[in-house]
Amino acid sequence: GAGVSQSPSNKVTEKGKDVELRCDPISGHTALYWYRQRLGQGLEFLIYFQGNSAPDKSGLPSDRFSAERTGESVSTLTIQRTQQEDSAVYLCASARGSVGKLFFGSGTQLSVL
Amino acid sequence: KNEVEQSPQNLTAQEGEFITINCSYSVGISALHWLQQHPGGGIVSLFMLSSGKKKHGRLIATINIQEKHSSLHITASHPRDSAVYICAVRSTGNQFYFGTGTSLTVIP
Repeated sequence: GAGVSQSPSNKVTEKGKDVELRCDPISGHTALYWYRQRLGQGLEFLIYFQGNSAPDKSGLPSDRFSAERTGESVSTLTIQRTQQEDSAVYLCASARGSVGKLFFGSGTQLSVL
Repeated sequence: KNEVEQSPQNLTAQEGEFITINCSYSVGISALHWLQQHPGGGIVSLFMLSSGKKKHGRLIATINIQEKHSSLHITASHPRDSAVYICAVRSTGNQFYFGTGTSLTVIP
């Protein structure tokens, strides 16, 4: 597709369940970023992938969070044993290279009940 | 202390006014981004800067690397410019830092 695609757009889950969020970047974009935005708060960086380099995981808030990306394709963000404080919009962005302009997906609204 | 500070936090302007949003940062950067978030949450990347000045339509972004400061200007503001504007920097250590955003309301 022409833009960054995220799925699902909305996810409601029960506390303690695992969730998997998907991001399909723009073709040819080597850089992929995950962010989250909790209600009323600013954007929070989670993780960054650049090509085949080791990802920058410095923003992941706990070991319940993990992300994978194979090559320059789809990425999945997994949250294990979800907690209510995980409720947020999870945004994915991709860029052509490490300093390229960011293109954002429309986000996944995660609600943990 | 936040690595990225934006001002003002809230801004209300009359249609047609010239608007400036400021961003100061404390880390060495490889790039600075200005983002626009509309009600409903969609985020658009407006500019990516590493030096100088960029212009796109009524929007102008400048950066002064020595002073660690960037400004986003909107000329002839319009109600459709109402949004949250976010400054984000990518540090030379490859970390991203975000400002808390400036909420702009343009009144007809």
